[in-house]
Amino acid sequence: SAVISQKPSRDICQRGTSLTIQCQVDSQVTMMFWYRQQPGQSLTLIATANQGSEATYESGFVIDKFPISRPNLTFSTLTVSNMSPEDSSIYLCSGGRQISSYNEQFFGPGTRLTVL
Amino acid sequence: EDKVVQSPLSLVVHEGDTVTLNCSYEVTNFRSLLWYKQEKKAPTFLFMLTSSGIEKKSGRLSSILDKKELSSILNITATQTGDSAIYLCAVGFFSGTYKYIFGTGTRLKVLA
Repeated sequence: SAVISQKPSRDICQRGTSLTIQCQVDSQVTMMFWYRQQPGQSLTLIATANQGSEATYESGFVIDKFPISRPNLTFSTLTVSNMSPEDSSIYLCSGGRQISSYNEQFFGPGTRLTVL
Repeated sequence: EDKVVQSPLSLVVHEGDTVTLNCSYEVTNFRSLLWYKQEKKAPTFLFMLTSSGIEKKSGRLSSILDKKELSSILNITATQTGDSAIYLCAVGFFSGTYKYIFGTGTRLKVLA
């Protein structure tokens, strides 16, 4: 499996502040994604992180709230901006590795965010 | 609208039982179906099923993809308490870019 690290592993933040989450993948990974998992819910894709260009956001997610960078193939950051208690979730970075013409997806350890 | 549905939502069994988890999907440009086990934070990859690999097995776990019925099952035989987790199904598809959509998950609890 691909090696994916993510930090911080958890944080408690105040309303109105911002938090940047970092994700580092090994070189086997070609695609990188950011997901959110709210309490008791499944995973929801926030965006696909594109190397050297703007991320591709899913419906309901915007760049102003969740700016994403991917300056090179193996590193990406997600910022949760102007946080509110509704942003309390687990944020997960994943990497896609191409096997033949298909893609396996592996997850980082996740960041548990609590907003007070 | 693309969607993935899992059933049942939750399941309680006793050690040694066999369980079958279901995943059905409606997506355009289907490419793959992935099963994950989630115990704490990060989902752990179990299997990937594709048109060229519709059946996978690893120990007590096995999975089959039915492309005609647009569904997959995950079987766990001789369940153990360590199998207690949420099992997630994700479908990979191409919609301008390659991405995944997740099902709601099945919460499995195995009692000793």
